[in-house]
Amino acid sequence: EPEVTQTPSHQVTQMGQEVILRCVPISNHLYFYWYRQILGQKVEFLVSFYNNEISEKSEIFDDQFSVERPDGSNFTLKIRSTKLEDSAMYFCASSGPGTVQKTQYFGPGTRLLVL
Amino acid sequence: KNEVEQSPQNLTAQEGEFITINCSYSVGISALHWLQQHPGGGIVSLFMLSSGKKKHGRLIATINIQEKHSSLHITASHPRDSAVYICAVGGGATNKLIFGTGTLLAVQP
Repeated sequence: EPEVTQTPSHQVTQMGQEVILRCVPISNHLYFYWYRQILGQKVEFLVSFYNNEISEKSEIFDDQFSVERPDGSNFTLKIRSTKLEDSAMYFCASSGPGTVQKTQYFGPGTRLLVL
Repeated sequence: KNEVEQSPQNLTAQEGEFITINCSYSVGISALHWLQQHPGGGIVSLFMLSSGKKKHGRLIATINIQEKHSSLHITASHPRDSAVYICAVGGGATNKLIFGTGTLLAVQP
């Protein structure tokens, strides 16, 4: 069964460094999302992406964050200058094709630790 | 006030018991999702529903749109059902999900 994959599974970085989290959505999906979960808290929406552009972003998704779909398969989340409070599990999700109102399939997550 | 509220936050059950987890929401939605999160962190979608009831194996999900309430039932619970069960609502042009805080279920043998 097709699945969403994410790399790396864990990343440790120093405050102020740039990180890129990578996701490979299910191949025929059209809608892509990033969510994050700070330890002990609920999952929060960061950004949605459709037709090669951001379709919605949350207040969390400030200028330090960016997303890209550089080729037909990868979907990346970049954090330009990491802060301690960026430490969290980051989940990529995808859905589609057809209507956006479909089940979202989640990747296994990347656990980011900012020191 | 949270847009999605779940109860209970924690639930311990004996193997074989019937389990109910409740979810209430305060926003307009296109669909409600029930998800399962295991200790390793991965999230699996269990149900997406916009009306009525859905059943998959020992899991049943119901939704009452007028009352903005959904329930997830597990029949004949088993220790392998132990996980966090999360209610999330989706809607709008992007179908972004708004998550509840989750219910930590422990089923003891």
